[in-house]
Amino acid sequence: AQSVTQPDIHITVSEGASLELRCNYSYGATPYLFWYVQSPGQGLQLLLKYFSGDTLVQGIKGFEAEFKRSQSSFNLRKPSVHWSDAAEYFCAVGARYGGSQGNLIFGKGTKLSVKP
Amino acid sequence: ETGVTQTPRHLVMGMTNKKSLKCEQHLGHNAMYWYKQSAKKPLELMFVYSLEERVENNSVPSRFSPECPNSSHLFLHLHTLQPEDSALYLCASSQGPRSETQYFGPGTRLLVL
Repeated sequence: AQSVTQPDIHITVSEGASLELRCNYSYGATPYLFWYVQSPGQGLQLLLKYFSGDTLVQGIKGFEAEFKRSQSSFNLRKPSVHWSDAAEYFCAVGARYGGSQGNLIFGKGTKLSVKP
Repeated sequence: ETGVTQTPRHLVMGMTNKKSLKCEQHLGHNAMYWYKQSAKKPLELMFVYSLEERVENNSVPSRFSPECPNSSHLFLHLHTLQPEDSALYLCASSQGPRSETQYFGPGTRLLVL
C-alpha cells in the first residue's frame, strides 16, 4: 500500500534562512509526487509536482523539490524563506496505475514557523 | 469567480441537525472529490465523482450523503453527525477521476456540538 511520511511535525527557521522539508514515500513504482501548502483557514494550494523527466522540479513562490528514487524521497527546498511562507506543507503521492490511479495519499504535514 | 469555491466557510451544527456543504468548480473539470481533514491526521479521501457518477466511496458512514447534480457542483449532505465529525471538509476537482493533479477549495470548517 502507498504511504507518505513527513518526519518533521513542526520546523522553525529564521527569515532569510534556507529551508528543507522532508518527504519519504512507499510505493511499488514511481508515483506522481506533489507538494501542497495550506495557510491558516485556507485550502490546499499546489506548489509543485513531479510526473517524469528532470528530477529537480521548480514550483511557485521560489520552491523546488528533488525526486530521489534511491531514497524514495521528494524533499522540498527554498533557498531563502520569507515570513509569508509560514504555513503547513503537505507531501502527497498519486498512483500511476491500477484501481487507485489518480487518488492522492497525503502525509500528515509539516508546520513551518518563520522567526523575524 | 475562478478555481474551486466552497460554502459555507464555517458551520456549527447540533447532532440532530441537517445541513449541506456546497462546492463549485469553475475549471471545466469532470471529477470532484470530498476530503476530510482532522487535527493530527492526514487528509482522508471520502468520495470521488466523475461526470456526476460516484466512482469511489471510502467506507464513509451513511450520515454523510454526497450529491453531484452536474460536473460543476458537488454537495455533501450531513445529518445526525457526531462530535468526532468536526473537521475541515475540503472539496477538490481534476480534469478526470484518474487525472494527476487536483485543485482544492478553501474548505468548510465544521463543528458538531
